[in-house]
Amino acid sequence: QVQLVQSGTEVKKPGASVKVSCRASGYTFRNYGMSWVRQAPGQGLEWMGWISASNGDTQFAQKFQGRVTMTTDTSTSTAYMELRSLRSDDTAVYYCATGLSASAHFLCLDTWGQGTLVTATS
Amino acid sequence: DVQMTQSPPSLSASVGDRVTITCRASQFIMNYLNWYQQKPGKAPKLLIYTTSTLRGGVPSRFSGGESGTDFTLTISSLQPEDFATYYCQQTYTSPPTFGQGTKVEVK
Repeated sequence: QVQLVQSGTEVKKPGASVKVSCRASGYTFRNYGMSWVRQAPGQGLEWMGWISASNGDTQFAQKFQGRVTMTTDTSTSTAYMELRSLRSDDTAVYYCATGLSASAHFLCLDTWGQGTLVTATS
Repeated sequence: DVQMTQSPPSLSASVGDRVTITCRASQFIMNYLNWYQQKPGKAPKLLIYTTSTLRGGVPSRFSGGESGTDFTLTISSLQPEDFATYYCQQTYTSPPTFGQGTKVEVK
């Protein structure tokens, strides 16, 4: 079945970087893109950006431009999101998600990872 | 960025009630409006896309509609498993933006 499995909980100091992985299975990874969405404790959903697994094209929310890198490894069907210069307000659950439906917009997210808690604390 | 304003932020309802959540876009988004359900500690789950298309496997008590720049999610008869937080999302322009969420609680 279609599945996205993310890496585990991370605890980082402010100023550090974190890299979260998302391994896909059950579909042809290179034919779709991957979005990253985060959710701070008790807050709503915030889209961070998207990467095409076929050619590496990216789109980012302006607030993350210059601080986030998204990559994919088609040999292992894995997407990565690296966030640099962490601040305490980056503490959140980070989700990878993709849209596999041919009849929906590609940023309509029908498949989600389980989430990765990233805590930035001194 | 397109601002999505959901109302109400929370509501209390009983099993069997009809529940409607509204999402208003700050500008034209055509019909590129999606609805998600999220339960505590879980990832969001897509319910409805392009305003009114029910995702496969989602119960028919869920429906979506629109009137101008207002979009609605209706649960015709609330079930125990429907107590959750619901988010709208527009995908007409990038960045895709979410509403703040509506928490549906037990009355």
